[in-house]
Amino acid sequence: SYELTQPLSVSVALGQTAKITCGGNNIGSKSVHWYQQKPGQAPALVIYRDSNRPSGIPERFSGFNSGNTATLTISTAQAGDEADYYCQVWDNRNGVFGGGTTLTVL
Amino acid sequence: QVQLQESGPGLVKPSETLSLSCTVSGGSISSNYWGWIRQPPGKGLEWIAYTSYAGSTSYNPSLKSRVSISLDTSKNDFSLNLNSVTAADTALYFCAREGQGGGFYDHWGQGTPVTVSS
Repeated sequence: SYELTQPLSVSVALGQTAKITCGGNNIGSKSVHWYQQKPGQAPALVIYRDSNRPSGIPERFSGFNSGNTATLTISTAQAGDEADYYCQVWDNRNGVFGGGTTLTVL
Repeated sequence: QVQLQESGPGLVKPSETLSLSCTVSGGSISSNYWGWIRQPPGKGLEWIAYTSYAGSTSYNPSLKSRVSISLDTSKNDFSLNLNSVTAADTALYFCAREGQGGGFYDHWGQGTPVTVSS
């Protein structure tokens, strides 16, 4: 079965840039979606199809996917960006989520 | 604005069947794909299944032998049944809608907690 690998945690200084990676075999050939989940809340879509932002998501959120790694980049990190982030793809009609990354804004 | 609301029993005994429903408001269930995702306490997301009005379904291979998903257009809702539950099925269960063009979940319910315990 297809697996997605994310770092358990990423820390970023307030106002700096955070990068969260999602590794998978030839993930660049798949569409990657990213979700943000804050404590006690349902996940919320922040990036779809590698690099597209849903309405209402700030331009500070961007995505890139190539080779064996997809990356979610959060520029000018704010305290409100602290959350768990999950990547997701489809493999043979099965949904696959990464294990999630906890972003801490220092 | 589409809204989804899960409903379920809260507590299920081991070996019994868990039945969950997701009511959709603000939109028709006769379009898009609809899915279930769960999250064990303190852990990550696990995709369970999807269905569509056209009857397309798919299940997580690790759950396929125990799970079924169905859609009811008369109620504008869709349901999940998971049989022979164990403590490992204890989780927060989310229903969600796939966005236009498919592949990503753009609307989620708030989740319904399920505990498997005698």
